[in-house]
Amino acid sequence: QQQVKQSPQSLIVQKGGISIINCAYENTAFDYFPWYQQFPGKGPALLIAIRPDVSEKKEGRFTISFNKSAKQFSLHIMDSQPGDSATYFCAASGSGTSGSRLTFGEGTQLTVNP
Amino acid sequence: DSGVTQTPKHLITATGQRVTLRCSPRSGDLSVYWYQQSLDQGLQFLIQYYNGEERAKGNILERFSAQQFPDLHSELNLSSLELGDSALYFCASSVVQTGELFFGEGSRLTVL
Repeated sequence: QQQVKQSPQSLIVQKGGISIINCAYENTAFDYFPWYQQFPGKGPALLIAIRPDVSEKKEGRFTISFNKSAKQFSLHIMDSQPGDSATYFCAASGSGTSGSRLTFGEGTQLTVNP
Repeated sequence: DSGVTQTPKHLITATGQRVTLRCSPRSGDLSVYWYQQSLDQGLQFLIQYYNGEERAKGNILERFSAQQFPDLHSELNLSSLELGDSALYFCASSVVQTGELFFGEGSRLTVL
């Protein structure tokens, strides 16, 4: 199974609040789990990524939590800002010597109100 | 700027027509991926090329085809276009060692 399930579909948070987006996967061969951020009219851009040898990775206000046994991972945005308003995609891929395609979740439209 | 260049940025055409979308990957990246993003939809993988060879195929219609040239640029050909083909088409290239995909800004196709 190649699916990655993402929730919620949309999220509204007040400025300064915590935004949490969840993803679940089925393919145990996946070993790379990135989150991409997409602004209107732009292509997705890598935000933060994790590999299954760690349970958490933090970069500034963004944290990925990874639960290998549950096959779930989540993105936490602390102190959310209006500039964080965008669509967020989780994704997953396996290893490959020629590169591996990313399987994306359905996306979460985040709105941070001022 | 991701370093991935896509042309054209916008394209309006009629049903039944054929279009070609072009992608230049980042310098040094051998892998090119094509994704389709329809309105309010996620990113659907179409096809991957690595150093000129097809490596993986997703939900790509038979009316669509792609290739990667010796200079590593890639083209996605869409033929017998239908209204439902209207979408954003993204190209990405990757760093094999890290798995990170770098996306272009997309080609927005409108079929009328």
